Amino acid sequence: AQSVTQPDIHITVSEGASLELRCNYSYGATPYLFWYVQSPGQGLQLLLKYFSGDTLVQGIKGFEAEFKRSQSSFNLRKPSVHWSDAAEYFCAVAAANNDMRFGAGTRLTVKP
Amino acid sequence: EPEVTQTPSHQVTQMGQEVILRCVPISNHLYFYWYRQILGQKVEFLVSFYNNEISEKSEIFDDQFSVERPDGSNFTLKIRSTKLEDSAMYFCASEELVAQYFGPGTRLTVL
Repeated sequence: AQSVTQPDIHITVSEGASLELRCNYSYGATPYLFWYVQSPGQGLQLLLKYFSGDTLVQGIKGFEAEFKRSQSSFNLRKPSVHWSDAAEYFCAVAAANNDMRFGAGTRLTVKP
Repeated sequence: EPEVTQTPSHQVTQMGQEVILRCVPISNHLYFYWYRQILGQKVEFLVSFYNNEISEKSEIFDDQFSVERPDGSNFTLKIRSTKLEDSAMYFCASEELVAQYFGPGTRLTVL
């Protein structure tokens, strides 16, 4: 079965600094990969997804992620973080029409 | 933009009572899911539903849980006899082209 590891439980960055959140997956075939963001007390919002094709995918709110098959990674990046980006970020992997497995999440704190 | 909705936003119940959590998926989606998130923990898959039947379920989804699509729009999760450990956020999701879109969740508190 597929699984996801997010090595960083908590990351703090300064506003305006660049951000990279790490995600490693385990899955036998080509995975479907996702990043979701969850603000406190809110549901999950889809930031971006990768199915196939270009390994660099663009998402909403200025986020992007790069699929690296050789490293089994799908790291999320943003060149300049805004205070409103403070939230919990979840990486997820799914097989087609199958349950989605989430990582444990990375909590992002943005310093002024 | 269409979105998944869930009601109620917060449900408080006594241990042993039955609860029904309701979801209205995005109208043209065909696959539906329930997940839960215990406070401070990761989101966990409960069940997937397609063509009016369960397609997959996790070990969490025991005989106390059931799902139903009673009409063309609603998708419900029933917990027959709630336990304290059922307290969590419950998220419904519907799927288009593998991507799952989540509702805002129902916070279930079992006293």
